[in-house]
Amino acid sequence: SQQGEEDPQALSIQEGENATMNCSYKTSINNLQWYRQNSGRGLVHLILIRSNEREKHSGRLRVTLDTSKKSSSLLITASRAADTASYFCATDLTGGGNKLTFGTGTQLKVEL
Amino acid sequence: NAGVMQNPRHLVRRRGQEARLRCSPMKGHSHVYWYRQLPEEGLKFMVYLQKENIIDESGMPKERFSAEFPKEGPSILRIQQVVRGDSAAYFCASSLGGDQPQHFGDGTRLSIL
Repeated sequence: SQQGEEDPQALSIQEGENATMNCSYKTSINNLQWYRQNSGRGLVHLILIRSNEREKHSGRLRVTLDTSKKSSSLLITASRAADTASYFCATDLTGGGNKLTFGTGTQLKVEL
Repeated sequence: NAGVMQNPRHLVRRRGQEARLRCSPMKGHSHVYWYRQLPEEGLKFMVYLQKENIIDESGMPKERFSAEFPKEGPSILRIQQVVRGDSAAYFCASSLGGDQPQHFGDGTRLSIL
């Protein structure tokens, strides 16, 4: 498996529900970043969490990082139809020189 | 306060032609990264540049691909003698460097006929 794998691959929920996406990685990281991509568009940066941090919040987003398990989760609370998008985690590997390694993403669909 | 600007948004080339993709980073950013995304896949790193320097080109194919970020003007990703397999979305990102977040443009979608 590759660095930065998201789980699940696809998620369909109702508006108002919470959405949780997970990301696992294999090697030591400097930081982990979550991005959103709407169809046909570029990536929008959501949250960066550093290796010495365990949790960060931004609005309805909550990101956790467990370096012992090499995993991260993104929680979107009170989801909205506008949250429908693909979500990617990207790792900045230790010694990797700032380049990001992306997973294949989770496709989130929020239905009315 | 413009973000990362990429042009063109769509580019169609015939096999054997050259493709030039441009990227203007966010104001104040001197670090530029290029990534390629195939359909239904995540982004794959290609090259990392600072002004006039290539820092890391470990993701660049050995032949036909080159990148530059001159002292003045945008960063250019150049693909010579394009083949069908080069069809993809090419994204540029910029940052302040270090562990600062990378901000992405909307990409250039390259189609090879």
